[in-house]
Amino acid sequence: DTEVTQTPKHLVMGMTNKKSLKCEQHMGHRAMYWYKQKAKKPPELMFVYSYEKLSINESVPSRFSPECPNSSLLNLHLHALQPEDSALYLCASSQDPGGFTDTQYFGPGTRLTVL
Amino acid sequence: AQTVTQSQPEMSVQEAETVTLSCTYDTSESDYYLFWYKQPPSRQMILVIRQEAYKQQNATENRFSVNFQKAAKSFSLKISDSQLGDAAMYFCAYRSPRNQGAQKLVFGQGTRLTINP
Repeated sequence: DTEVTQTPKHLVMGMTNKKSLKCEQHMGHRAMYWYKQKAKKPPELMFVYSYEKLSINESVPSRFSPECPNSSLLNLHLHALQPEDSALYLCASSQDPGGFTDTQYFGPGTRLTVL
Repeated sequence: AQTVTQSQPEMSVQEAETVTLSCTYDTSESDYYLFWYKQPPSRQMILVIRQEAYKQQNATENRFSVNFQKAAKSFSLKISDSQLGDAAMYFCAYRSPRNQGAQKLVFGQGTRLTINP
C-alpha cells in the first residue's frame, strides 16, 4: 500500500484567512514533503521533514508554515496568502530518507485558490 | 546543480503502438536515482518506474521500460502497447545519492502524452 491522503481536495480562501492543509500516511515512512505545482509546470519543493524534523526549507515565504506533529501527519498552515499562491499543493512521503529505498510517493493534492 | 531536460513538450501515439519519451540530465555525481512519474488529469503523481544509476540493467515494469545510458546521461521511457489510460503528463526526475538525508527531486518540464484511439 502506497497511499498518501490529503485534505481538503479543494480550498478557496481570501487573503486575510487562515487555513491549513493536511497530509497523512500510514506506511511508516520517515520523510514527508510539501511541493507546490503551478499549471503546466513541474512540482517545486517547499519543505522536507525527515524523522519529524524540518530538514529542508526552500526559502519559502513565512506565510507558509509547516508542521509535523508525528511521523504520520504533515500540516501546512496558510496565512495572509497572495493570489499568486494559488496552485496545486502536493504532499509526498518516502520510507527511508536518503537510503536505498527512498522513493517518494505522492498524494492527490489540494487545489488552492486565493481570492 | 543537477538539471533535467525533457525536450518534447507534447507527444501523441496511436492506441496499441509504442512511444518513447526522452529525458537527459546533467550531474557530476556518479551514484543517483532516476524516476519517471505520470500525472493524469486527476492530478495525482504516480510513480511509473525507477532506475538506480549503479545498475547497468534497464528497469522494466510491465509495459514500461527505460533505456538508461549513463555515459550519455540519457534516461528515456518506452511505453509499449499504449492504452488510453496512459494519457498524462510524464515527468522525469533525478534524486541525489543516498546517505545524504532526505533529498528533493529535480524534475524536468514534463511531456504531455496523448493517446489517439
